[in-house]
Amino acid sequence: AQSVTQLDSQVPVFEEAPVELRCNYSSSVSVYLFWYVQYPNQGLQLLLKYLSGSTLVKGINGFEAEFNKSQTSFHLRKPSVHISDTAEYFCAVTPRAPGNQFYFGTGTSLTVIP
Amino acid sequence: EPEVTQTPSHQVTQMGQEVILRCVPISNHLYFYWYRQILGQKVEFLVSFYNNEISEKSEIFDDQFSVERPDGSNFTLKIRSTKLEDSAMYFCASIGAYEQYFGPGTRLTVT
Repeated sequence: AQSVTQLDSQVPVFEEAPVELRCNYSSSVSVYLFWYVQYPNQGLQLLLKYLSGSTLVKGINGFEAEFNKSQTSFHLRKPSVHISDTAEYFCAVTPRAPGNQFYFGTGTSLTVIP
Repeated sequence: EPEVTQTPSHQVTQMGQEVILRCVPISNHLYFYWYRQILGQKVEFLVSFYNNEISEKSEIFDDQFSVERPDGSNFTLKIRSTKLEDSAMYFCASIGAYEQYFGPGTRLTVT
């Protein structure tokens, strides 16, 4: 079985400050990892994904995440946040086989303070 | 860029009524999904659909729910006899190369 833990339900950060949103997962099989962003009253938009290769992946809007297999983590980072980054962020995993469902974390609400 | 579309964007219905949520997945995808997100909570898997049949379903997906692919493009979720607790955002998704493309969602409000 797979599960995803996002320990921080809310993260307030000042504009232009760095941010890290934490994600840990548990799985009995190898997984692919994803971060999605959800702006208010909108759907889920893919930020970035880790399938294989370099453990540091870069996504849209200046975000990046690092896959750490030993710590089963996939933390999301941005060196300098903008007001427009205020949104809900979801970490998700899926087993490395086609057709499997995605397992989502409970989400982290990022609020950027001017 | 291809996208998953969903209609309607917002549906209001009375308790006990039936609703059908519609989705048009990306045309060459083979796996289709429905997820639910109750306000303020995480995204929960409901059901996956492959080769014209359900391949996996969650505990949430009971006899009240059904899915169908009535033609080559549409993928529908039917909720019979809606309950207040069915109020949520419902997302359709289709998969290509291990990335699930999500639709914009249908907000269902049961009154």
